[in-house]
Formats: sequence, C-alpha cells, structure tokens
Amino acid sequence: NAGVMQNPRHLVRRRGQEARLRCSPMKGHSHVYWYRQLPEEGLKFMVYLQKENIIDESGMPKERFSAEFPKEGPSILRIQQVVRGDSAAYFCASSRTGDYGYTFGSGTRLTVV
Amino acid sequence: KQEVTQIPAALSVPEGENLVLNCSFTDSAIYNLQWFRQDPGKGLTSLLLIQSSQREQTSGRLNASLDKSSGRSTLYIAASQPGDSATYLCAVMETSGSRLTFGEGTQLTVNP
Repeated sequence: NAGVMQNPRHLVRRRGQEARLRCSPMKGHSHVYWYRQLPEEGLKFMVYLQKENIIDESGMPKERFSAEFPKEGPSILRIQQVVRGDSAAYFCASSRTGDYGYTFGSGTRLTVV
Repeated sequence: KQEVTQIPAALSVPEGENLVLNCSFTDSAIYNLQWFRQDPGKGLTSLLLIQSSQREQTSGRLNASLDKSSGRSTLYIAASQPGDSATYLCAVMETSGSRLTFGEGTQLTVNP
C-alpha cells in the first residue's frame, strides 16, 4: 500500500511561469490537505479538499493559487505566475476520514529563479 | 485563533539520555493532537496520535501525553539515540477532518 505520492519532488520555475504540483492520496483516503513550509518557518495550512469539492480554502493566497481534487486522478495545486516568495516545500496529506491522523507525502520543493 | 508553541526550539543531548519535548496550544477545544518527525529535506512521519478523550499514547521508546484542560502535550523519548536526531512537530486538529495547526518544532540533536 503506497503512501501519499507527490510529484515532482523538485521543481524549478522561472518567475512568471506556472507550477503544477500533484498529489495522489493513499488508497482509500478521500480527504486531501495541502500545506506550505516556507524556509525557516513552520507548516501552514493551505486547503482541504474531498473528491470534486473544496471544503476549506481559508489558507490559500487570494490570487494565483488554486487547487482541485477531481473525481479521477490526483489532486493538483496550481500556482500561476510564480514569484520568488513562492519558493517553499509544499506538502500534501491525506486521511481516510477526519477521525484519523494524517499521512504526509514527501513534499515538492519549488524553487523560483 | 489556535496557536501552538513548542519549547525548546532546539535541544542537544548526549546519547542515552531521556528527554521531554513540550507543546502548548491556546484553545483547549481540540479533536486530536499528533506528533510528527521531520528529517532534513524530507516529509513528515507520524509518530503518535492522541484523541481528545485520551491521556497518553505509547510507541516503543516514545510516550506522548495530553492534558487538554491545560492546553499541553509532552513527548517523552527514552534512551535517545543518534538516529532520533530530527525536528519534532506537534499539531492539533480542532474538529474532525479539519486543518492541522502546527507548532514551529523542536530541533533535536543526539550526540554519539
């Protein structure tokens, strides 16, 4: 039973490009969460999704960021027109239901040059 | 707004020592609390999960306690080893299925 799979592990984008980060939850998990870890800072919640629904996006920046979790396929975190301040580690987590703890992926490290 | 604080921010101990990491949270109305380990450049590994109705959980050399009324949790590591060196993160979930609020972590170094 594979864990939470995130890809790519490392992503380099030039300022103004788009970044797409993918997350496949553990088998049987229908809840997906995205967190961001800025350099030398703690993990901050971004968005919580279930299949085809955004449940809580209160941690998402108002512009340029979007997330989806389609009926088929992985969850996608999309960052448009990236800036240097978007450089961070982005972690995805999944859970079976809210009654259990989370399982985290290994993260995608985004570097904007 | 929930805030989670971890003390100390960094800790360096000789191998074999028993140690305690502290976590406090401002809103005691939590659903559960989870301790994670993060190695440099890696993801998070779940260590222990304590439901709000529980007082403690144990796994091997690790023991986590929860005092919800005072807003505190401790992670006890017995007989520390160099392989325990990592950053330890405490996180609380306020309602079932909601976000986790993380502390800043305690960076632990166990010296051989």
